[in-house]
Amino acid sequence: AQSVTQLDSQVPVFEEAPVELRCNYSSSVSVYLFWYVQYPNQGLQLLLKYLSGSTLVESINGFEAEFNKSQTSFHLRKPSVHISDTAEYFCAVRPLRGSSNTGKLIFGQGTTLQVKP
Amino acid sequence: DAGVTQSPTHLIKTRGQQVTLRCSPKSGHDTVSWYQQALGQGPQFIFQYYEEEERQRGNFPDRFSGHQFPNYSSELNVNALLLGDSALYLCASSSGTANEQFFGPGTRLTVL
Repeated sequence: AQSVTQLDSQVPVFEEAPVELRCNYSSSVSVYLFWYVQYPNQGLQLLLKYLSGSTLVESINGFEAEFNKSQTSFHLRKPSVHISDTAEYFCAVRPLRGSSNTGKLIFGQGTTLQVKP
Repeated sequence: DAGVTQSPTHLIKTRGQQVTLRCSPKSGHDTVSWYQQALGQGPQFIFQYYEEEERQRGNFPDRFSGHQFPNYSSELNVNALLLGDSALYLCASSSGTANEQFFGPGTRLTVL
């Protein structure tokens, strides 16, 4: 079985400051890792993903996440946030193909990023 | 290219009633997954459909059922609604050979 823990339920930060949203996971099999963002009253949008290769992955809007296998973490970072980054962020895992649970995403509880002017 | 679409946007029902939610996948996608997102929580996997069959199911009671049509669209049915079924229901589509799931905007179900 897999589980995802997002260590902070809310992260308040001032505009242009750096931010880190923490995510740890537990799994008995290898997994793919994802970060999704949800703006108010909307569905989920994929922010970035780690499937294989370089452990540092980047999004087009300045976010990055680093996969750390030994610490089973996939923390999300941005060096300078904007007001428009205010949203709910979800970390998720998906077991690799070949296991019995290849279809579903397992999500964390979410972290609310509040960017203040 | 239209993304994943869901209908209706909002729905209000009373306890004991039945509800049907609909989802059209992104063009070229053949797999549909349904998730329930309670207020303040992360989405929880309900089930996944591929080739018109339920391929995988999460920890939801039999009151939750679904269907996939030959055009890959899908329905989620919930019988004997409970207050606790109030949530945002998200549909996600993917291609059988890809790992990324694309989400629709969701249907907000309120059970009174």
